[in-house]
Amino acid sequence: DTAVSQTPKYLVTQMGNDKSIKCEQNLGHDTMYWYKQDSKKFLKIMFSYNNKELIINETVPNRFSPKSPDKAHLNLHINSLELGDSAVYFCASSLGDISNQPQHFGDGTRLSIL
Amino acid sequence: RKEVEQDPGPFNVPEGATVAFNCTYSNSASQSFFWYRQDCRKEPKLLMSVYSSGNEDGRFTAQLNRASQYISLLIRDSKLSDSATYLCVVNMYPTGNQFYFGTGTSLTVIP
Repeated sequence: DTAVSQTPKYLVTQMGNDKSIKCEQNLGHDTMYWYKQDSKKFLKIMFSYNNKELIINETVPNRFSPKSPDKAHLNLHINSLELGDSAVYFCASSLGDISNQPQHFGDGTRLSIL
Repeated sequence: RKEVEQDPGPFNVPEGATVAFNCTYSNSASQSFFWYRQDCRKEPKLLMSVYSSGNEDGRFTAQLNRASQYISLLIRDSKLSDSATYLCVVNMYPTGNQFYFGTGTSLTVIP
């Protein structure tokens, strides 16, 4: 009965490959997010998405693309992986129309690029 | 200037001590505020929301000062299990439902 679940938990792959990380939430939330946490531990927003709009952090390379088949899922696809993509990626969700509601996080996907 | 700024610490305190963290935010239109806790190699978890009048949850007290644009977290009677990184989070809704995280403050409670 995990609220926000991500798969895989660990992903080790070679530079240049294309990979996807999946995220699902069963909280009935309408907004989902992807964050990147690098070795310095700073949580950086990459995308936020609800059924109305996609907000993209302009610093995110276009090799990263979110894909949402429905409002309970927001997957992250990464093309041409680079060494600098190594990080922990967290998915989160929230009730988008209610500003005082916090985010709930998945337990992260640890991506290592060889 | 970053949207949310925190002193990264580390704060090393003995068990039983009282410790306080502050966090400043840049956008006066910010609407909602939270403290999260992140343990090593784990996801951030909500510790408490921060309400305008201040709020308390057991040993934890959160305060908001809109005039000076900062929020604070006070931990009383520190326990070893309080050792973690504490993240200050600000939501800019309705200008955009985006949550901005501080860099976190590291706390270690020493026996």
